Amino acid sequence: EAQVTQNPRYLITVTGKKLTVTCSQNMNHEYMSWYRQDPGLGLRQIYYSMNVEVTDKGDVPEGYKVSRKEKRNFPLILESPSPNQTSLYFCASSRQGNQETQYFGPGTRLLVL
Amino acid sequence: AQSVTQLDSQVPVFEEAPVELRCNYSSSVSVYLFWYVQYPNQGLQLLLKYLSGSTLVKGINGFEAEFNKSQTSFHLRKPSVHISDTAEYFCAVSAGGTSYGKLTFGQGTILTVHP
Repeated sequence: EAQVTQNPRYLITVTGKKLTVTCSQNMNHEYMSWYRQDPGLGLRQIYYSMNVEVTDKGDVPEGYKVSRKEKRNFPLILESPSPNQTSLYFCASSRQGNQETQYFGPGTRLLVL
Repeated sequence: AQSVTQLDSQVPVFEEAPVELRCNYSSSVSVYLFWYVQYPNQGLQLLLKYLSGSTLVKGINGFEAEFNKSQTSFHLRKPSVHISDTAEYFCAVSAGGTSYGKLTFGQGTILTVHP
């Protein structure tokens, strides 16, 4: 089954404790992206990757890091989480191109105390 | 730069009534337009998309949308809604040029269908 998976689905942590949210897709997609969803703001792009070892900032990259060492994986790293990073995070993937449908993971709900 | 505005944050409607969710966009280049749906506690799922050609686009679950270039709108419609259509709906735009598939989302519209 074609899918995007994220782990963990739910996470409660404390300020400053490094964490990683994993994202994996099995569709051989070139393009992967991370979004955060906040009430009234819709989804905002954090980082994206056009292929292995190619990443770039989205609209709200501050406080986040990513890496793309393999085509299927695109982890999101919070080196020192803060309460304003409490949010719902989605990973998405697609074939390369502006017309392509993006496929979303189930989401990771993060609470930073 | 591109932007998307969804004109209604919440839309309540009775079951079997028609519904329209409004979306306006701005972009300096040609665009591709998408509607996604998010059911409670789930990820986003594509409803429909406009790439080119006919301005009336049909999607899944009986939804359709009309691209209006002069009004820069892409409103979503359904002639008769069901309880199961209760969800949050997002309009999104992807611009041509070198945006490499970047999606810009609207703020979302929560559709609540009442029996």
